Amino acid sequence: EPEVTQTPSHQVTQMGQEVILRCVPISNHLYFYWYRQILGQKVEFLVSFYNNEISEKSEIFDDQFSVERPDGSNFTLKIRSTKLEDSAMYFCASSAPGRSNQPQHFGDGTRLSIL
Amino acid sequence: AQSVTQPDIHITVSEGASLELRCNYSYGATPYLFWYVQSPGQGLQLLLKYFSGDTLVQGIKGFEAEFKRSQSSFNLRKPSVHWSDAAEYFCAVGRQIGGSQGNLIFGKGTKLSVKP
Repeated sequence: EPEVTQTPSHQVTQMGQEVILRCVPISNHLYFYWYRQILGQKVEFLVSFYNNEISEKSEIFDDQFSVERPDGSNFTLKIRSTKLEDSAMYFCASSAPGRSNQPQHFGDGTRLSIL
Repeated sequence: AQSVTQPDIHITVSEGASLELRCNYSYGATPYLFWYVQSPGQGLQLLLKYFSGDTLVQGIKGFEAEFKRSQSSFNLRKPSVHWSDAAEYFCAVGRQIGGSQGNLIFGKGTKLSVKP
């Protein structure tokens, strides 16, 4: 069964540095999402992306964050000038086109640790 | 505003016993409802989903859930729990936006432990 793939599985970064989290969505999917889960808390929506533009974003997704689909297969989340509170598990998800009853499929996540 | 409540943070059941995990949602229209499972160190795996139609939905691994509009609930059930079911379970709600369900709102999760 096709999977959403995320790399790296664990990223350790110094505070203030930039980090890029990478995702390869399922190949025929057209809707892409980023979520994050701070340790011990619920999964929170960050941003959704469709047709090469952001379709929806949460209040968490401020100017520090950006997303990009640099080619036909990758979907990236960039965090500029990381802060300690950015430490979390970041999940990428994708869903198929067509009707809205296509569920979101999640990757295994990238654990981001900010030191 | 949409919200999801999972009132039980941690549940322990004996292997072979039945299981029910509770989920209540708040949403103004008919929601799209999901249950995901997360094993330690793993991502979120979709167990089942409800969009419309039959209010009792079947999922993978022998799980089922029932949508009850009058109670704003979407409880997850399994008649006989296996040790491999130990994981964290998340209920989520979405809604129709164009061709997708938009962003999902998750509950805080229920951690399931299984006693031998």
